[in-house]
Amino acid sequence: DAGVTQSPTHLIKTRGQHVTLRCSPISGHKSVSWYQQVLGQGPQFIFQYYEKEERGRGNFPDRFSARQFPNYSSELNVNALLLGDSALYLCASSRGLAGAGGNEQFFGPGTRLTVL
Amino acid sequence: GQSLEQPSEVTAVEGAIVQINCTYQTSGFYGLSWYQQHDGGAPTFLSYNALDGLEETGRFSSFLSRSDSYGYLLLQELQMKDSASYFCAVRSTGGGNKLTFGTGTQLKVEL
Repeated sequence: DAGVTQSPTHLIKTRGQHVTLRCSPISGHKSVSWYQQVLGQGPQFIFQYYEKEERGRGNFPDRFSARQFPNYSSELNVNALLLGDSALYLCASSRGLAGAGGNEQFFGPGTRLTVL
Repeated sequence: GQSLEQPSEVTAVEGAIVQINCTYQTSGFYGLSWYQQHDGGAPTFLSYNALDGLEETGRFSSFLSRSDSYGYLLLQELQMKDSASYFCAVRSTGGGNKLTFGTGTQLKVEL
């Protein structure tokens, strides 16, 4: 079975632009979460979507938004890009909503975003 | 809030055993997960402890003590390919499936 896929793999933008990142979860997984990983740090939670509804939001500004589609794929949008948005953006999928046992999150390869 | 602390770097020789510790402060969580991440790669799920005690998966074992707010990942028979960053992460009980990651430990395996 295919794992979590993300596109694009790399992206270069300039300050003020917007970006859309895409994620397809593992088949059968209904939950998609987004994380931002700055070099040298652990991933930071941005959003969780389950059954097309937002189920969790991390401490990120309103410039960050996301949505989930009927096929459970998801998009992360970032507006008015800042230099500090340069990071690896990771998507993770899991079967269900909650963090209980058996509901591990599996990560995609990430999108490396560079803001100049 | 939640915070997890790990040693920043650990070095060991091939074939040895290494333990990576994780201490945490959290108001409530389902359990402690461990992830491996090679440079430029995605975090890969290694293990999960919901209850106190030891969980073994091949060369990797993970331990949790809720009373001590402490866990560790034990890697045996180290191989060069084990050189990577290792993260502990808690899975919150506050609804949803949010992972809060530790600071990460870079493991270097030498010959």
